[in-house]
Amino acid sequence: SQKIEQNSEALNIQEGKTATLTCNYTNYSPAYLQWYRQDPGRGPVFLLLIRENEKEKRKERLKVTFDTTLKQSLFHITASQPADSATYLCALAASGTYKYIFGTGTRLKVLA
Amino acid sequence: NAGVMQNPRHLVRRRGQEARLRCSPVKGHSHVYWYRQLPEEGLKFMVYLQKENIIDESGMPKERFSAEFPKEGPSILRIQQVVRGDSAAYFCASSPSVNTDTQYFGPGTRLTVL
Repeated sequence: SQKIEQNSEALNIQEGKTATLTCNYTNYSPAYLQWYRQDPGRGPVFLLLIRENEKEKRKERLKVTFDTTLKQSLFHITASQPADSATYLCALAASGTYKYIFGTGTRLKVLA
Repeated sequence: NAGVMQNPRHLVRRRGQEARLRCSPVKGHSHVYWYRQLPEEGLKFMVYLQKENIIDESGMPKERFSAEFPKEGPSILRIQQVVRGDSAAYFCASSPSVNTDTQYFGPGTRLTVL
């Protein structure tokens, strides 16, 4: 069955460093991959979308890569700040579908 | 430009009661999606609706759960005869069109069944 794996353990990093989060998937060929941020008690907030024919996408301090051979996406936050502390979710969808499959998320904590 | 609104934010029900969760999409969005999130689990798709139509309810339990998106007014997710296992956060999302456009999420309704 389709499976998305995100590191369930929290990631603690020092302020100013680059945070790298991983999203691996199996038994799936997504055409679209999205990253969301979710704060406690709140709904997910869209950050970035990357398509299968794109290797990399950037937005301000965020960078996403999408390797369909490795079946993996990496999500980077450069110059991390305590305000970046949150849970980050990846979500995949096949071409022509609205159904995103979500990972369980990785909790990031940026230490001042 | 208001985002997706959901109410109530918190809902407590006793076993056997009914729960009604409301979702007002972003103005101009005609596509609504409902998701359920259990603790330590990912968001699970439940149902996709367009105005007055259920397009895909494959993720919704066949019994006790229903959803609607009337021509006027918010989308409603209705859970009849709630059980403890229904306790979860229910999120609504909307998009201006289908085909994997970004989905904008509401703040969620946290349902607790006593």
